[in-house]
Amino acid sequence: QVQLQESGPGLVKPSETLSLTCIVSNGSINSFYWSWIRQPAGKGLEWIGRMFSSGSTTYNPSLKSRVTLSVDTSKNQFSLKLSSVTAADTAVYYCARGFGIFEYWGQGILVTVSS
Amino acid sequence: EIVLTQSPGTLSLSPGERVTLSCRASQIISINYLAWYQQKPGQAPRLLIYGASTRATGVPDRFSGSGSGTDFTLTISRLVPEDFAVYYCQQYGTSPYTFGQGTKLEIK
Repeated sequence: QVQLQESGPGLVKPSETLSLTCIVSNGSINSFYWSWIRQPAGKGLEWIGRMFSSGSTTYNPSLKSRVTLSVDTSKNQFSLKLSSVTAADTAVYYCARGFGIFEYWGQGILVTVSS
Repeated sequence: EIVLTQSPGTLSLSPGERVTLSCRASQIISINYLAWYQQKPGQAPRLLIYGASTRATGVPDRFSGSGSGTDFTLTISRLVPEDFAVYYCQQYGTSPYTFGQGTKLEIK
């Protein structure tokens, strides 16, 4: 079955840009929707946004001004950039497949915002 | 955005018991686009139910979902040890998609 794996720095300084990549294996990235979801420690889940393999995107308005999603179909991967981060952006970040229902998830990557 | 409120926050139960978890929405969820997830410590959430009542692939039939409009429930007919986890509801009828704050099932 399809597998997802997040990668990127585990530590980001305040005001800098958080950059994560999700590599999709055992399946094609084409013709599917892909999302990012985050979860602060001990808290609930927040949907960040989604993109189609063609590149069209939908963002959560609460983060829209700081988020950019992109896809590289040649590498079967998609990416998240979150700018001007603060401590409030510290969370486990998950990538997932789906338009609104998320059946396949990555294992998650903890990103800490700290100087 | 649609706010989902789950109750109770924590439940202490024993294996073999039946449990019903509640999820109430601040607005009507269109076309019953409501999902339930199970999350265990250190793991990603696992999709259990979508469309309010359709079990995802491989989900045991002791899990069932129901409801419409603003009130939804997840029922586990007979708890087994691996069911003790945190359960989240999520609406995907209106963007931004939102999750409830979770209900934790713990072993009594």
